[in-house]
Amino acid sequence: GAVVSQHPSRVICKSGTSVKIECRSLDFQATTMFWYRQFPKKSLMLMATSNEGSKATYEQGVEKDKFLINHASLTLSTLTVTSAHPEDSSFYICSAGSGTSGGADTQYFGPGTRLTVL
Amino acid sequence: AQSVSQHNHHVILSEAASLELGCNYSYGGTVNLFWYVQYPGQHLQLLLKYFSGDPLVKGIKGFEAEFIKSKFSFNLRKPSVQWSDTAEYFCAVNERGDYKLSFGAGTTVTVRA
Repeated sequence: GAVVSQHPSRVICKSGTSVKIECRSLDFQATTMFWYRQFPKKSLMLMATSNEGSKATYEQGVEKDKFLINHASLTLSTLTVTSAHPEDSSFYICSAGSGTSGGADTQYFGPGTRLTVL
Repeated sequence: AQSVSQHNHHVILSEAASLELGCNYSYGGTVNLFWYVQYPGQHLQLLLKYFSGDPLVKGIKGFEAEFIKSKFSFNLRKPSVQWSDTAEYFCAVNERGDYKLSFGAGTTVTVRA
């Protein structure tokens, strides 16, 4: 149980184009999903928290107009990197929260999407 | 805000050696604690987690971790490592009732056959 998928796993695009990454919770409903960037040999950096049916909450320093997040259903969140530039090249990882109101809050991670902007 | 410190950046071991990775956090309230593992080329997987109860938590693949509240620590241990334990290990913390995780910088573990 608690499987999270991402699509695509790898994408190469030209500078100036937009790229959409999908994150799905396959066997559970996730009211909250998270988007991270992971740089080589570095830890995960939280970009934003995505809540179903409401606007995403972005971390300090993350441009909300550049990284558009939509959480239209309890099993799908999308991240769109708009007008991508080479510095946006990174490994993007989503996670979905699963837990109870008692505080057993656990995130399950997707396999990640490698974005390369030429 | 919480911060999570992992003391070891890179650990190199021989097979059958014992492993202990340190993790300390700075938040004084009630927290949930996690260890995640990322094998080469794979996604983050949950090794174990602590929410409450017995502070010694057993996870998958023979790993365990001990929560010591007075030391704000949640160290990961494995008595005898295998070559397949070569991976990146991340300690993470969130506040009770909040999904948002704070991650440590990660520890690269290399096990030599």
